[in-house]
Amino acid sequence: AQSVTQLGSHVSVSEGALVLLRCNYSSSVPPYLFWYVQYPNQGLQLLLKYTSAATLVKGINGFEAEFKKSETSFHLTKPSAHMSDAAEYFCAVSDRVNQAGTALIFGKGTTLSVSS
Amino acid sequence: GAGVSQSPRYKVTKRGQDVTLRCDPISSHATLYWYQQALGQGPEFLTYFNYEAQPDKSGLPSDRFSAERPEGSISTLTIQRTEQRDSAMYRCASSSTGSADTQYFGPGTRLTVL
Repeated sequence: AQSVTQLGSHVSVSEGALVLLRCNYSSSVPPYLFWYVQYPNQGLQLLLKYTSAATLVKGINGFEAEFKKSETSFHLTKPSAHMSDAAEYFCAVSDRVNQAGTALIFGKGTTLSVSS
Repeated sequence: GAGVSQSPRYKVTKRGQDVTLRCDPISSHATLYWYQQALGQGPEFLTYFNYEAQPDKSGLPSDRFSAERPEGSISTLTIQRTEQRDSAMYRCASSSTGSADTQYFGPGTRLTVL
């Protein structure tokens, strides 16, 4: 069965500091991997996704993530945090086997706080 | 429509009552998903539709939960005889094809069962 583990339910950084949100997955098949962001009172918004092409994936708002098969990781990074990055971030994995409709398996989420 | 919409945004009900939640997906999207998100958790898959067909109900927690999408567009999720443990955010998402395509999420319906 697939699963996602997000290390750290809460991460705090200073404005301008590096953001690193950790995600490890388990999957019996080559996975598709996603990072979603949730701002208060809004729906989940896709930041980026890995679908077996380039292992370094660039997303919106300056975020990127690197797929490392050997470490079963898909950590999200941003070189310089901005106050507007404060939100909850979810890592998710999907099973490519079911092509007609693929449920996402989500981690528990990491809340990012950014201080000035 | 421009995005996925859900109604109501908030629903408070008493234990034992039935509730129906609505999802209006992006108009061109064939696939529609329902997820349940408990407080402090990530969303968990409930069921999905491909047009009006419902190939997978495996995530529905009990037979009190049902969903339909009769015309392959708008979908409803009904919870009968609600219980306090049903309190959660219910999220709907839609996508144009399966697997690799992005799932676009609506704002969710926050259900509170008293």
